[in-house]
Amino acid sequence: QKEVEQNSGPLSVPEGAIASLNCTYSDRGSQSFFWYRQYSGKSPELIMSIYSNGDKEDGRFTAQLNKASQYVSLLIRDSQPSDSATYLCAVKSRERGSTLGRLYFGRGTQLTVWP
Amino acid sequence: DAGITQSPRHKVTETGTPVTLRCHQTENHRYMYWYRQDPGHGLRLIHYSYGVKDTDKGEVSDGYSVSRSKTEDFLLTLESATSSQTSVYFCAISESSARPPYEQYFGPGTRLTVT
Repeated sequence: QKEVEQNSGPLSVPEGAIASLNCTYSDRGSQSFFWYRQYSGKSPELIMSIYSNGDKEDGRFTAQLNKASQYVSLLIRDSQPSDSATYLCAVKSRERGSTLGRLYFGRGTQLTVWP
Repeated sequence: DAGITQSPRHKVTETGTPVTLRCHQTENHRYMYWYRQDPGHGLRLIHYSYGVKDTDKGEVSDGYSVSRSKTEDFLLTLESATSSQTSVYFCAISESSARPPYEQYFGPGTRLTVT
């Protein structure tokens, strides 16, 4: 069973601060990593994907990947109350003997940004 | 929701009755997935499809069956619903699984209650 672990939170930050969300994974062969945002009662929404070591920036979001440490993180700069949601980390791994892959999800970190 | 609809959006049914959930996509994506989401467990894969009439099991497939007779439709059937199948069910689609892009996009979800 491939594991994806996230800090359960909840994480609470003031408006304008940097929110840091962390994720570790067990399958060293994983190649693709994703962050989803899920508002209460809604479906997961893809916000970032990252495939290579290093940082990837998209607006206020930065995804960081370190394959050697099996660690991926999401930074949210200038946090806004509208960022309050649960953030899901997902890792794509291949089943043994298959060319297909599937996503394994962490349980999510609940973020609250207070005004 | 990336051209994905799910029906019904809410359903209450009794133990022992059959239930079918439908996922419809307009993106012509090859891959379709059914997940369930429960508190404390996160998103778990039930079944997935990699083409018309091509399906495979996920990690929590017991008690569920699927069918895909057209590219755009993926049906999830609970043959005899049990209270443990009370959950929120999400359909997802992706263009590819064996090579990039791997991103999965989620439908709005179906809240199923088995009494």
